[in-house]
Amino acid sequence: SAVISQKPSRDICQRGTSLTIQCQVDSQVTMMFWYRQQPGQSLTLIATANQGSEATYESGFVIDKFPISRPNLTFSTLTVSNMSPEDSSIYLCSVEGTSGRGVGYNEQFFGPGTRLTVL
Amino acid sequence: KNQVEQSPQSLIILEGKNCTLQCNYTVSPFSNLRWYKQDTGRGPVSLTIMTFSENTKSNGRYTATLDADTKQSSLHITASQLSDSASYICVVSAWGGKLIFGQGTELSVKP
Repeated sequence: SAVISQKPSRDICQRGTSLTIQCQVDSQVTMMFWYRQQPGQSLTLIATANQGSEATYESGFVIDKFPISRPNLTFSTLTVSNMSPEDSSIYLCSVEGTSGRGVGYNEQFFGPGTRLTVL
Repeated sequence: KNQVEQSPQSLIILEGKNCTLQCNYTVSPFSNLRWYKQDTGRGPVSLTIMTFSENTKSNGRYTATLDADTKQSSLHITASQLSDSASYICVVSAWGGKLIFGQGTELSVKP
């Protein structure tokens, strides 16, 4: 399993500003994932971050709005730029790891999330 | 289009009672199906993972079933506890690793 921490846990920000969310994993992982969970909605993948390469963004998400850094195998940041109230969401960091259930496929582990409110 | 639909959207039950949550999916090619529990203010935590060849998987008071022919899954919670109050999310993994998330069922267990 993997233990994931995120900072900050929550924040209230003003429109037009930017917020950088940090994600720290207790083990080295190849891929880290960033998700958004809007109020009452399911999780939506924003991008996949590999160490040493540019992040891969899903449809509807662009690097200018959500720049991602992946400086090493245990850390990543997601910046929410030029925020608007529509960006109010929970942002979750996730990694893949060994299931530990005796099965041959990987399991997805999630951080506690960062609850962002944009006024 | 790959989709995962869950029902009901929300559910209120009394402590000690059983309940069953449903998940229907149209994901192809199918790799595995996962159930997650998400407590308020926390990230999702995995309860069960099943491949197409597995019909049932238990984790304590949680039992998941999978019918790959009808593309349906259920999560049965036995003898519910107040701590079971959470959102339960059905997630289907397609081959290649893409995860498709359901919208979740919000379960509230009352004393």
